[in-house]
Amino acid sequence: DQQVKQNSPSLSVQEGRISILNCDYTNSMFDYFLWYKKYPAEGPTFLISISSIKDKNEDGRFTVFLNKSAKHLSLHIVPSQPGDSAVYFCAASVKGRSGGSQGNLIFGKGTKLSVKP
Amino acid sequence: NAGVTQTPKFRVLKTGQSMTLLCAQDMNHEYMYWYRQDPGMGLRLIHYSVGEGTTAKGEVPDGYNVSRLKKQNFLLGLESAAPSQTSVYFCASSYSLVRIGTQYFGPGTRLTVL
Repeated sequence: DQQVKQNSPSLSVQEGRISILNCDYTNSMFDYFLWYKKYPAEGPTFLISISSIKDKNEDGRFTVFLNKSAKHLSLHIVPSQPGDSAVYFCAASVKGRSGGSQGNLIFGKGTKLSVKP
Repeated sequence: NAGVTQTPKFRVLKTGQSMTLLCAQDMNHEYMYWYRQDPGMGLRLIHYSVGEGTTAKGEVPDGYNVSRLKKQNFLLGLESAAPSQTSVYFCASSYSLVRIGTQYFGPGTRLTVL
């Protein structure tokens, strides 16, 4: 069973508009969420993260929103640029007994974003 | 500062052959990870290490072994390769386990098992 779900395999957006990528999760023990961006033939690169004690985190054009009651998070990119075209992975980590992570990131299947000029 | 490097970039094996994938990081990170990514799937954790000389199983450890003899290196071994192990393998490292920190990924190794 998938604990982290990205139900949209692809998304196409016009340059300058907002891109919204969605992610749902089922495990209530997840306490930290991350978004990674991946270009073809490269490894994923970290984009932005959010702790479960927050509902929003912003970094430049990227904002992540967390709705714990709905077990849903979203990544907003405003404004979208052609260079943002990539696969975006949502990932979550489980809180360990010591308060830190258990060391296991659970990834969604990814959403391929295409930003058209 | 090379970050995370992986050797080799590509490899084709026959069923039953063995091989070792090498991951190296120059960021002095304590934590290192091996993931595999299959088509249409997210990354799944195979094994990870929280420090030199330590290893732990991840989500899909069967058929793989790992070793962390030096802090900067994390080796992934396939003793008897199977077609189901055809995948892209990513290594990652991070400074901290607390709140995961940021995992830095290598460029990947594309492995095909015939």
